[in-house]
Amino acid sequence: QKEVEQDPGPLSVPEGAIVSLNCTYSNSAFQYFMWYRQYSRKGPELLMYTYSSGNKEDGRFTAQVDKSSKYISLFIRDSQPSDSATYLCAMKIPGGYQKVTFGIGTKLQVIP
Amino acid sequence: GAVVSQHPSWVICKSGTSVKIECRSLDFQATTMFWYRQFPKQSLMLMATSNEGSKATYEQGVEKDKFLINHASLTLSTLTVTSAHPEDSSFYICSAREEGVYNEQFFGPGTRLTVL
Repeated sequence: QKEVEQDPGPLSVPEGAIVSLNCTYSNSAFQYFMWYRQYSRKGPELLMYTYSSGNKEDGRFTAQVDKSSKYISLFIRDSQPSDSATYLCAMKIPGGYQKVTFGIGTKLQVIP
Repeated sequence: GAVVSQHPSWVICKSGTSVKIECRSLDFQATTMFWYRQFPKQSLMLMATSNEGSKATYEQGVEKDKFLINHASLTLSTLTVTSAHPEDSSFYICSAREEGVYNEQFFGPGTRLTVL
């Protein structure tokens, strides 16, 4: 079993739709949770960073963490064609070198 | 956010040659940098953790004699792929950790290596 599971998609939605992206994880030691956006042939860009259960909002993006279920989500409201990219969830254990473990990424396409 | 650069952005080389990739943190000092490899339709895989002034820590299965890492200063880490072969063709991405409350990692734009 992989430490982090993420559906690779692709996920196609019409412009303006609400997008829901999800990851599950198996290691309860993960305490920090991130979402990265990666455009084709580019490095990942940090979108959201959370460290506690609950919701965190930043503009059109909302990150949700449920540690009891080992489940994290990223919601994108009013999706735009420019949101078309691969979204990777990532998480890490506090302390040490803080190695980050990534999901495989979900490819999102927002259709105008 | 902090900026990390990589050079070159892409490189094509012949089998058997060595290739050096540079990773620089432009507006912050990074004691720790990370090197990842990403194959098509696969996730980022950590290859090694690079620490300024000391030896890199390699992940299981990564050949340290093939992937040489040097972190000579607080803003520069280099990855040298020695005696490259076609199976080494991949997208190599570095990240630099900014010391702070969350120790966030900022990623470079990546280097696409093609070995003929």
